[in-house]
Amino acid sequence: DAGVIQSPRHEVTEMGQEVTLRCKPISGHDYLFWYRQTMMRGLELLIYFNNNVPIDDSGMPEDRFSAKMPNASFSTLKIQPSEPRDSAVYFCASSLTGTKYTQYFGPGTRLTVL
Amino acid sequence: GEDVEQSLFLSVREGDSSVINCTYTDSSSTYLYWYKQEPGAGLQLLTYIFSNMDMKQDQRLTVLLNKKDKHLSLRIADTQTGDSAIYFCAEKTGGYQKVTFGTGTKLQVIP
Repeated sequence: DAGVIQSPRHEVTEMGQEVTLRCKPISGHDYLFWYRQTMMRGLELLIYFNNNVPIDDSGMPEDRFSAKMPNASFSTLKIQPSEPRDSAVYFCASSLTGTKYTQYFGPGTRLTVL
Repeated sequence: GEDVEQSLFLSVREGDSSVINCTYTDSSSTYLYWYKQEPGAGLQLLTYIFSNMDMKQDQRLTVLLNKKDKHLSLRIADTQTGDSAIYFCAEKTGGYQKVTFGTGTKLQVIP
């Protein structure tokens, strides 16, 4: 299996621009999670989906952030407009019901907003 | 509520044992985990323990769970430079598949 795939791996953008991060979960997994990791705040859960339906988005920082999962094999996290404080590593993870809640993480997208 | 705390940094010499500690607050935790994050990579499951167990051993890794004190530890025997990474404690509570991660402990192994 290819594991969780994220793209791009690195993104550098200017303040005010729209940023779209992409994730392909492991085939057959029914849960998908988006996390953000920074030195200051550590690993934060932003939102998670079950069978493509958002279950909990209470971690999404503000309205500038939105996430979608149009089908079981694809999800996006969009930031519009981006700000320098959004600079972080964004991880996508997936899991499968009945497997002891083990989450499989992608390699992350390092976002830098100038 | 759910809160998982760890010390931020641990430094050990190669060949020594490392012990990484974690405290959690939710007594209803069913599973507790240790994840490892190597530089530039995502988190990877290292091991887990079910809440009705006190100890689990897997090669160089020993997990100890003290439910009374809500304390979890990870012992790495004969620590190697390849063990240098950030180690996250995590707990599973409540419904769905959500897992709460700790702050992470950066392990530095000195040759």
